[in-house]
Formats: sequence, structure tokens, C-alpha cells
Amino acid sequence: DIQMTQSPSSLSASVGDRVTITCRASQSISIYLNWYQQKPGKAPKLLIFAASSLQSGVPSRFSGSGSGTDFTLTISSLQPEDFATYYCQQSYSNPLTFGGGTKVEIK
Amino acid sequence: EVQLLESGGNLVQRGGSLRLSCAASGFTFSSYAMSWVRQAPGKGLEWVSGLSDSGGSTYYADSVKGRFTISRDNSKNTLYLQMSSLRAEDTAVYYCAKGLGTTVRYNWFDPWGQGTLVTVSS
Repeated sequence: DIQMTQSPSSLSASVGDRVTITCRASQSISIYLNWYQQKPGKAPKLLIFAASSLQSGVPSRFSGSGSGTDFTLTISSLQPEDFATYYCQQSYSNPLTFGGGTKVEIK
Repeated sequence: EVQLLESGGNLVQRGGSLRLSCAASGFTFSSYAMSWVRQAPGKGLEWVSGLSDSGGSTYYADSVKGRFTISRDNSKNTLYLQMSSLRAEDTAVYYCAKGLGTTVRYNWFDPWGQGTLVTVSS
């Protein structure tokens, strides 16, 4: 199985900060990496698919990059509504797997 | 509007069985792969199972293989998860999620349902 490792597991940031979350796969997954945002008590929401494609309706301050084993999610200017938990997920091979999550908290 | 509505979650004893359903609307259900993803209380996301558009290809996480069965009824626009030999560690919110295309691989989940809670008592 492909293991997905996210870092950090949590971070504190202020409104307006640039935030970067990393995700590393235990083997190459090409560009088959997706990012989701989850707020407490809610279902996850797709942000980025295929490593760098922005889902329709998602603000442009979110961006994704990477290929192979190393990927990043960047929030260019953190907004109050962005405080949430973020998960990466690989769809290169079954079983599909998620990273452990990164909780973004208010500093 | 694409909607997914899960049901069937309940309190069940260890070793028992339960069937979850996910009613889909707003899209051509028979054209898309579907998956179940769960989240234990206070924990992260875990993909449980997925199947292709026709239902001919099914996949499972090692943690549920042999105990859970995924299926779909394209005439009823409904996805199912039959769970048996339930364990305490199966306690979670179970979400159904729509894939982009016909296969489980090379895909992403959008949207997700609101989830249904399964609690396994010991």
C-alpha cells in the first residue's frame, strides 16, 4: 500500500499569512494527488485534483504543485474561513490512501 | 445539483451487521465510480471501499476486506455498503463520495455526502 505522510500535523498562522502544507508518498504516484479541506462536523470538500488543478469554485489563493512523491498545498493569503483540516489523498493505486491531515489553527 | 444522502447508520453490537445506503441524485449515477470513506471520532479520513460505474470492479481497504461488501443498484441510483463482523474499530462516520469518472483509480472525490454514524458497542 502507498503511505501518504503529511507535514506538519498542525500549524498556527495568522490571517494574511502564506501557508504551505507538504505531502509525501512512499512511492511515485505521478500526479494522482488530491487535496481536501474539512471543517468541524462537515464533510470534506475537494480543493485541488491531479496535483495542481483547482476545483471549480475554490478561491485562487489555493494552489497545488508537485509530482512523483512530493507535493505541496499553498494558501497564498490565509483567510478566516480557511481555518480547517487539510488532507492529501492518492488515487494512483488501490487501496486509495489519505494523509494523516494538517490542522490549520488561528495564531 | 449533485446530492448524496447516506442512511442506515446505527448503534450495533460487536460482531453484528449493518447495511448503509447512499441515495444519489442530480447526475447520471450509472456513469460514475463511487466510494465509501470513513472517519473515526477525532481521527483522519480512511478510504474503505470503491466500485466502478458498472459495479463490475470492486476494491477494499485491508482493514475491511472479507467483512464488508460494496454494491450498487444503478436502477435505483443507490450505493450500498454491507458490513458484517463489526468491530469496535469500525465505529466512524461513513461518507459516500462520487468519483470523477468510471474507475476508482486516477480519480477524486467530489462531492461527498453528509455522512452517517456507525457505532459498534463492545
